[in-house]
Amino acid sequence: QQPVQSPQAVILREGEDAVINCSSSKALYSVHWYRQKHGEAPVFLMILLKGGEQKGHEKISASFNEKKQQSSLYLTASQLSYSGTYFCGTEFQAAGNKLTFGGGTRVLVKP
Amino acid sequence: DAGVIQSPRHEVTEMGQEVTLRCKPISGHDYLFWYRQTMMRGLELLIYFNNNVPIDDSGMPEDRFSAKMPNASFSTLKIQPSEPRDSAVYFCASSLGVSEAFFGQGTRLTVV
Repeated sequence: QQPVQSPQAVILREGEDAVINCSSSKALYSVHWYRQKHGEAPVFLMILLKGGEQKGHEKISASFNEKKQQSSLYLTASQLSYSGTYFCGTEFQAAGNKLTFGGGTRVLVKP
Repeated sequence: DAGVIQSPRHEVTEMGQEVTLRCKPISGHDYLFWYRQTMMRGLELLIYFNNNVPIDDSGMPEDRFSAKMPNASFSTLKIQPSEPRDSAVYFCASSLGVSEAFFGQGTRLTVV
C-alpha cells in the first residue's frame, strides 16, 4: 500500500522546472507532501484532499487526480533551497492524518 | 511555541537494554505520531494518538515496542529489549486535526 514516487532522483539547474509524481494502487482520500533536508526533520508543504480542497504554502503547487489515484508536485523556477528529499504521504480514508509515505524523491538544485 | 521537542537527540545503547524516547508535542495539538526512518524502509508510521488515546498501533513492529501518552504534553516510545535492527531515526510529530504535521528533530538511535 506504499505509494510509488517517481522519479527517484532529479538534478536541476537553478531556474529549471521539475515534476514529482506519487501514485497509489488504492483510492485516496488525501495526499500530503513534505520536504526533508539532510539531517533534518520533514517539513510540511501541502495537503490535497479528495474533492479538490488544498492547504499549503503559496509558492508550491500540486495536483491531485482522484481517478488516476495520483498526485504531482510541481517545482517551478527552482531555487537552491528546493534541494532535499520530497515525500508524499497518502491517506485512504479520513483517519486523522494516518499517512503511508512513499520512498521519496531526491532533488538536487545546482547553481 | 518551541515546536515539537524530542529527547534525547542521540542514543547509543547495547543490545538488550531498554530505551525510552521522549516527545513533547506542540501545545494545543490533538494528534501525536511516532515515526521511524531508515534507509531500507523509509518513513514508517508506528503509532498515533488522538487526545492522548492510542488510535492505531498497527505499525508497531513487535511487542518489544510500546508507546504511552499520559497527558497532552508528553509521550514516550519504549523499546525493551533493544536489538541492532532497531537502529533508526525516530521522529515524533503533532498536528491539530487533519492539517500539517510538525515534526520534532528526531532521535538517532544506535543499538550495538
